[in-house]
Amino acid sequence: QSLLTQPPSVSGAPGQRVTISCTGSSSNIGAGYDVHWYQQLPGTAPKLLISRNNNRPSGVPDRFSGSTSGTSASLAITGLQAEDEADYYCQSYDSSLSNSMFGGGTKLTVL
Amino acid sequence: QVQLVQSGAEVKKPGASVKVSCKASGYTFTDYAMHWVRQAPGQRLEYMGWINTGNGNTKYSQQFQGRVTLTRDTSASTAYMELSSLRSEDTAVFYCARGRFHFDIWGQGTMVTVSS
Repeated sequence: QSLLTQPPSVSGAPGQRVTISCTGSSSNIGAGYDVHWYQQLPGTAPKLLISRNNNRPSGVPDRFSGSTSGTSASLAITGLQAEDEADYYCQSYDSSLSNSMFGGGTKLTVL
Repeated sequence: QVQLVQSGAEVKKPGASVKVSCKASGYTFTDYAMHWVRQAPGQRLEYMGWINTGNGNTKYSQQFQGRVTLTRDTSASTAYMELSSLRSEDTAVFYCARGRFHFDIWGQGTMVTVSS
């Protein structure tokens, strides 16, 4: 059981905007710990997509953006493309665990 | 370029141990912690723990406490993950990942199969 809850799946048509939520609690996101997002394409290692809530590493398109509010975070993808079809994970630190943790992951399907 | 290269796939029997290596290159090894993540087939990422590559201090996830040991060899710029008392549920890909609070560079993954 993950302490960061994500929807199992989301979908959208090419060109559309989708969001993926990551719901935490007062011991992680709500405590101000940063949220990071990873993209995992089929059969590959995860790739850092968003760091420290809303920072894109070099090479990540500006179609990807992150935000936080209260005990939740969101990843938004605009101008959806077929190549965006992947699993997406949020990650943060939890003070009750005294360690990092991942969300359950969300599978994005591009219709 | 900055990269992490992991050791090859392993097949182990239940009850055995496995040790996976992760060799870093392209940066100063001791400048970043090394983290380990497990992913069973078709399942989510599970955080296992991390090692301070500078002083060797470790912190393990409660789920793996007592079965996992993280070490490093600074002269070889290599981190190691040893998992003991293997069971079928440990069949998974194990990843090393560099980072402080987020993980910016990942190894390619090492498949460990536990089967009698």
